[in-house]
Amino acid sequence: SQQGEEDPQALSIQEGENATMNCSYKTSINNLQWYRQNSGRGLVHLILIRSNEREKHSGRLRVTLDTSKKSSSLLITASRAADTASYFCATDATDSWGKLQFGAGTQVVVTP
Amino acid sequence: GAVVSQHPSRVICKSGTSVKIECRSLDFQATTMFWYRQFPKQSLMLMATSNEGSKATYEQGVEKDKFLINHASLTLSTLTVTSAHPEDSSFYICSAHGGGKDYGYTFGSGTRLTVV
Repeated sequence: SQQGEEDPQALSIQEGENATMNCSYKTSINNLQWYRQNSGRGLVHLILIRSNEREKHSGRLRVTLDTSKKSSSLLITASRAADTASYFCATDATDSWGKLQFGAGTQVVVTP
Repeated sequence: GAVVSQHPSRVICKSGTSVKIECRSLDFQATTMFWYRQFPKQSLMLMATSNEGSKATYEQGVEKDKFLINHASLTLSTLTVTSAHPEDSSFYICSAHGGGKDYGYTFGSGTRLTVV
């Protein structure tokens, strides 16, 4: 079954704006990961945040994790047209190593 | 970084035939690989965990006789869709963990299977 829910389902912004998407999950986790998928392609790992971390940065990406609320957010700052893709959160649960449970995804469109 | 090569990227087959999809870890050894399925505009659903040298473990609802998994070496896992039907048409993706603890899983580029 699908672990997480993501919102929004779709997001349309202009270049230079920030994009924020959220992910909620249900079980206890080791870590939470964010992936990007361009249409018809495989997934690219963006960032991993462990359960004892609250915030992590990587370039223009900022991820937060609130384990009390079982939620995470991904912020893409100063978006570019090349950021157009679907973004998925995935949880690595404590009782099932490696069996990533993916959220429904957020489709982001960045227009020039 | 870790690379997982998956092929074919696209395959069209006739109903009733079998299709094999390969997933290779190119620069690392993967004792465990994972196979996912993705329907259009939907998320990834884990199908099975492929274990080198032992039987795969399948998620609930996934037919093991339909989706045969072989993980004969530390760098290769194969998924064979047997007696394919149009409802098996989907995007299949494999993954493996090949990095350090701050790395997620490395995914193959996926295989678009169309059964006609």
